Amino acid sequence: GAVVSQHPSWVICKSGTSVKIECRSLDFQATTMFWYRQFPKQSLMLMATSNEGSKATYEQGVEKDKFLINHASLTLSTLTVTSAHPEDSSFYICSAVRGISSYNSPLHFGNGTRLTVT
Amino acid sequence: DAKTTQPNSMESNEEEPVHLPCNHSTISGTDYIHWYRQLPSQGPEYVIHGLTSNVNNRMASLAIAEDRKSSTLILHRATLRDAAVYYCILRDPLNNNDMRFGAGTRLTVKP
Repeated sequence: GAVVSQHPSWVICKSGTSVKIECRSLDFQATTMFWYRQFPKQSLMLMATSNEGSKATYEQGVEKDKFLINHASLTLSTLTVTSAHPEDSSFYICSAVRGISSYNSPLHFGNGTRLTVT
Repeated sequence: DAKTTQPNSMESNEEEPVHLPCNHSTISGTDYIHWYRQLPSQGPEYVIHGLTSNVNNRMASLAIAEDRKSSTLILHRATLRDAAVYYCILRDPLNNNDMRFGAGTRLTVKP
């Protein structure tokens, strides 16, 4: 159990366009989801924490108007990269915590989305 | 900002045990110790977590020092599929329940 599905797995877009990435918890409800970005040969960097029904909390240095996060239901969070530029090319990964009392629960990760902006 | 320290890389031979260390000298009383691993081009995978007592599951064992300032992930018999980057992470459920990753340890398994 505890499967997180991320879609698409890869996307290529032109500079200036927007891209939406979906993260779904398939067999559990996720009050909280996290979005990460990972550049080649680097670790995951937390971008934002998304709570169902409320505004996302962004990490310092992450532009909230550029990386729009919506967590409208307990099973779906989306990340939209607006006006993408080549420097936004990266591996984007979401994760979800099962349930409301999540303090002792592990995170379950999607398989990531490889974004390439040309 | 990562609160754990791990070696950058380690090597192991196939079918031998592997001990992956993690130092977390500033751990608080409510921090859980989590371990995840990431294979190339995939999202991280949960391995194990614990608070104070040693933990065992089908994937690995987690040995936690008595003072909790360090822990060790133990793979009892390494296989080629265990080659990955292993991340040791502290997670405080009472304060900002998020997960920040450090650099991790890249484990190479030799046949």
